[in-house]
Amino acid sequence: AQSVTQPDIHITVSEGASLELRCNYSYGATPYLFWYVQSPGQGLQLLLKYFSGDTLVQGIKGFEAEFKRSQSSFNLRKPSVHWSDAAEYFCAVGAGNTDKLIFGTGTRLQVFP
Amino acid sequence: DGGITQSPKYLFRKEGQNVTLSCEQNLNHDAMYWYRQDPGQGLRLIYYSQIVNDFQKGDIAEGYSVSREKKESFPLTVTSAQKNPTAFYLCASRLAGTLTDTQYFGPGTRLTVL
Repeated sequence: AQSVTQPDIHITVSEGASLELRCNYSYGATPYLFWYVQSPGQGLQLLLKYFSGDTLVQGIKGFEAEFKRSQSSFNLRKPSVHWSDAAEYFCAVGAGNTDKLIFGTGTRLQVFP
Repeated sequence: DGGITQSPKYLFRKEGQNVTLSCEQNLNHDAMYWYRQDPGQGLRLIYYSQIVNDFQKGDIAEGYSVSREKKESFPLTVTSAQKNPTAFYLCASRLAGTLTDTQYFGPGTRLTVL
């Protein structure tokens, strides 16, 4: 069965610093991968997704993620974090389709000025 | 203005009462989903529906029920059989025209059992 691991429960960075949030998945074939962001008390907003093709995908708000099949990873990156990026970030995987997604437990990002 | 609406935003319930959470979408999406979110556990799928008048259990369906009488509506009832209903509930929808259509989420309903 597919699964998603986000090893970091909580990350703190200074504004302007670079960011990398880790996501590892378990699935035998090529997965469909997503990153969503959630502000407190709100729904989830899609940041970016990977289905096939170029393994470096660009998303909204200056985020990007790289699919590495050899490492079963789909890490999210941003070169310079803004205070408004403080939120919880979820990685999700779909096995062969996007009907049933499996979500990681999330990483809470705190940004210090 | 297209989107997914959930109501109410906050809901309080006494133990032993059933309560229904509303989810409506005007995106003409075929599939709809209900997730439960608890701190530190991510999102877990309760029920999903790919077409009108049909729905399937997700990973944690016990104590919940749904209906899909209209394409745009997918209400969730939290019954008294749900042992720990206090949580944040998220509804999502998806076009379902292809294997890769994205799920989009509503703003959520926070349910608190008193």
